[in-house]
Amino acid sequence: QQQVKQSPQSLIVQKGGISIINCAYENTAFDYFPWYQQFPGKGPALLIAIRPDVSEKKEGRFTISFNKSAKQFSLHIMDSQPGDSATYFCAARRNSGGYQKVTFGIGTKLQVIP
Amino acid sequence: NAGVTQTPKFQVLKTGQSMTLQCAQDMNHNSMYWYRQDPGMGLRLIYYSASEGTTDKGEVPNGYNVSRLNKREFSLRLESAAPSQTSVYFCASSARQGPGGNQPQHFGDGTRLSIL
Repeated sequence: QQQVKQSPQSLIVQKGGISIINCAYENTAFDYFPWYQQFPGKGPALLIAIRPDVSEKKEGRFTISFNKSAKQFSLHIMDSQPGDSATYFCAARRNSGGYQKVTFGIGTKLQVIP
Repeated sequence: NAGVTQTPKFQVLKTGQSMTLQCAQDMNHNSMYWYRQDPGMGLRLIYYSASEGTTDKGEVPNGYNVSRLNKREFSLRLESAAPSQTSVYFCASSARQGPGGNQPQHFGDGTRLSIL
């Protein structure tokens, strides 16, 4: 049962273009939606996150758009660069007694070509 | 500033062998987690420890055991390794979350485990 559905699984974008990754969730108990970036041979690292009471959050070239009624959220990478080539995971978190119950999407492998 | 440290980084085992994956964090986090990462399946939670002295099963606990040795250390043990356990294993930690908290999970760089 995949509670967070992520698409596409792979994405190739030209340098300077916009990369868009989409996610959808089912459980309305989720209260925090982080995106993680993972480079080969490394662990995932938090990139940007949003709470469900906000429709958009922007940090530099990275923007999360959040549609609570549709239970969908997406990551936009503006002016994509070769250094952005990595695997991106969306996630949804439910706070449970002080620890985090996080459900991850299957990941999107992004390749930015010069 | 080490963060989350995992050892070993690579390991090859034969079917039926046992081994323990080690994880330590230096951020004074209360909660720790073990995930496995497989192609096309994202990160799946194996076990977690909400606080020192407690452990609970996650989504895919079969074939694994864990020990929360102290606040810093959380180990994952494979008692009798099987080829299906070939994967990349990640340890993570997080600070205690209050209501509305937004502390992220911090991950180590993983252990790449192959079972022949």
